[in-house]
Amino acid sequence: DIVLTQSPALAVSLGQKTTMSCKTSQNVDNFGKSYIHWYQQKPGEQPKLLIYFASNLASQVPARFSGSGSERDFTLTINPVEADDVATYYCQQGWEFPLTFGSGTKLEIK
Amino acid sequence: EIQLQESGPGLVKPSQSLSLTCSVTGYTITSGYDWSWIRKFPGNEMEWMGYITYSGSTLYNPSLKSRISITRDTSKNHFFLQLTSVTTEDTATYYCARNDYGTYFFDYWGQGVMVTVSS
Repeated sequence: DIVLTQSPALAVSLGQKTTMSCKTSQNVDNFGKSYIHWYQQKPGEQPKLLIYFASNLASQVPARFSGSGSERDFTLTINPVEADDVATYYCQQGWEFPLTFGSGTKLEIK
Repeated sequence: EIQLQESGPGLVKPSQSLSLTCSVTGYTITSGYDWSWIRKFPGNEMEWMGYITYSGSTLYNPSLKSRISITRDTSKNHFFLQLTSVTTEDTATYYCARNDYGTYFFDYWGQGVMVTVSS
């Protein structure tokens, strides 16, 4: 199975920029696409798709969110961070079965 | 608007079967897409369990071996999860979700249902 590694938590001040990483155990690029997707999950809610294919903003997601990366190294950026962004962020690979998720990065406000 | 809603018992005894329903509104499950079950464990780890396609084919996570079955009732626009021989390690929040063939990201999710396995 492809393993996705994320840092467990980070704290950032309101209005600042933050980045969180997702590193995969295998290359997930193919046909010009990176098969990495990002989700936001707030407490008590279901996950919400933020970014698909590493850098494409999902519908109705604010432009403060962006994604980048390739092969085995991916980044989710929030700039600027708002109070509403407190959540856990998961990456997920869609390249190989079984589909797998990272363990999530919990974002807190300083 | 597409909506998914899970339902089922919140408590299951060890060795018994867990059965959940996902009710879909706003889209007909036979029109397209794959329909997945995903669970989130108490430690926040998430696991994709498997899916049923719009045509009725299924694909399961090998980690669940022969314990899992995903079926559907097209007349009600529902799909189902059955997990047999549950243990306390199956305690989790269970989500149903939609994904597109070939892209394999989940664009619509249900609210989730928490299932505890305990005697």
